[in-house]
Amino acid sequence: KQEVTQIPAALSVPEGENLVLNCSFTDSAIYNLQWFRQDPGKGLTSLLLIQSSQREQTSGRLNASLDKSSGRSTLYIAASQPGDSATYLCAVSGVTGGGNKLTFGTGTQLKVEL
Amino acid sequence: GAGVSQSPRYKVAKRGQDVALRCDPISGHVSLFWYQQALGQGPEFLTYFQNEAQLDKSGLPSDRFFAERPEGSVSTLKIQRTQQEDSAVYLCASSPRETVDNEQFFGPGTRLTVL
Repeated sequence: KQEVTQIPAALSVPEGENLVLNCSFTDSAIYNLQWFRQDPGKGLTSLLLIQSSQREQTSGRLNASLDKSSGRSTLYIAASQPGDSATYLCAVSGVTGGGNKLTFGTGTQLKVEL
Repeated sequence: GAGVSQSPRYKVAKRGQDVALRCDPISGHVSLFWYQQALGQGPEFLTYFQNEAQLDKSGLPSDRFFAERPEGSVSTLKIQRTQQEDSAVYLCASSPRETVDNEQFFGPGTRLTVL
């Protein structure tokens, strides 16, 4: 059974810092990995999608990398801002599950302080 | 264009009541998913539809949970005889194709509280 772990569970940084969020998964047979943002009381906003054949994706200040063989992904946020405060979730679409469902980690709760 | 919408946004039910949660996917999206998110946890898969066909219901926690998508568009998740452990946020997602490499777009969720 696929398991997804995110470290750290919570993170507080001053504005302007660059930071890295980590995601690991136990079964490397995946179709893709997706990073989401969740604001309190809200749904999920997709940030980046990395296909299994890709190594990284970039969107603005966000960069996500994927090392499928080692079961790891990182989300790099450059020059963090208070508006980046949210919970960040990673999820994988696994071959074993038919690729039609996402398995999520428990998230990293990020707070960017002024 | 409009994203995925869900209604109601909040639902309070007494234990033992039946509830129905609605999901309107993005127009034209073939695939539709339901997830359950307990407090402080990541979402967990419940069930998946491709058009009107329910292809995977392996995540439904008990036979009290039932989902349908009769015309391949709007979906309803029904929970019978609600229990306190059913309290969670129920998220709906859709994706444009039936292939396995496509992105899922999520709605705002319905927060269910069972008293």
